[in-house]
Amino acid sequence: LAKTTQPISMDSYEGQEVNITCSHNNIATNDYITWYQQFPSQGPRFIIQGYKTKVTNEVASLFIPADRKSSTLSLPRVSLSDTAVYYCLVGGRGGATNKLIFGTGTLLAVQP
Amino acid sequence: SAVISQKPSRDICQRGTSLTIQCQVDSQVTMMFWYRQQPGQSLTLIATANQGSEATYESGFVIDKFPISRPNLTFSTLTVSNMSPEDSSIYLCSVADRGSVETQYFGPGTRLLVL
Repeated sequence: LAKTTQPISMDSYEGQEVNITCSHNNIATNDYITWYQQFPSQGPRFIIQGYKTKVTNEVASLFIPADRKSSTLSLPRVSLSDTAVYYCLVGGRGGATNKLIFGTGTLLAVQP
Repeated sequence: SAVISQKPSRDICQRGTSLTIQCQVDSQVTMMFWYRQQPGQSLTLIATANQGSEATYESGFVIDKFPISRPNLTFSTLTVSNMSPEDSSIYLCSVADRGSVETQYFGPGTRLLVL
């Protein structure tokens, strides 16, 4: 299973764009990159997933370079309610990897 | 997406006792997982609950301590046996469809405090 490395914490202000980068040097060919968000006292929530290039949904964008050894979660115009822990995971689709391993995550603190 | 509920939401228990946590899903799912999250820490996978067979445990977790049942495709239980204060944690269940394990839906968690 590919191990991921993220910054432990990040600070931002309301209205700013936040980019959280994750390193996954040992990513396998069939691994997807998935990001989860966890608020205090709640279970993690799926945010976005990608395999290569760029993926965008109503919450965030995910940028993946050609070598796929890293990825960047981009949160546009954050608000106080985006304060949470963000986890980057890599895992295989199609049953090749039958579990997810959570890393340390990044605690994003958004200030007014 | 799936809606997952857990019971109890929290409990305070005495050491040496056992607690069974229930996880209910609003639809049939192929894969169910149990995680532990200690205060301020990341999630640690305990086991994969397999329907109709024994659970698959991760390193450091054993069936005698964390017996798991999965009688059908919408329900699972995790028992924390012979509890000690070190078992104080949040226990979460999650579900996924086979072939999409990277997309999991989590329950709200059960907060356990062992005195």
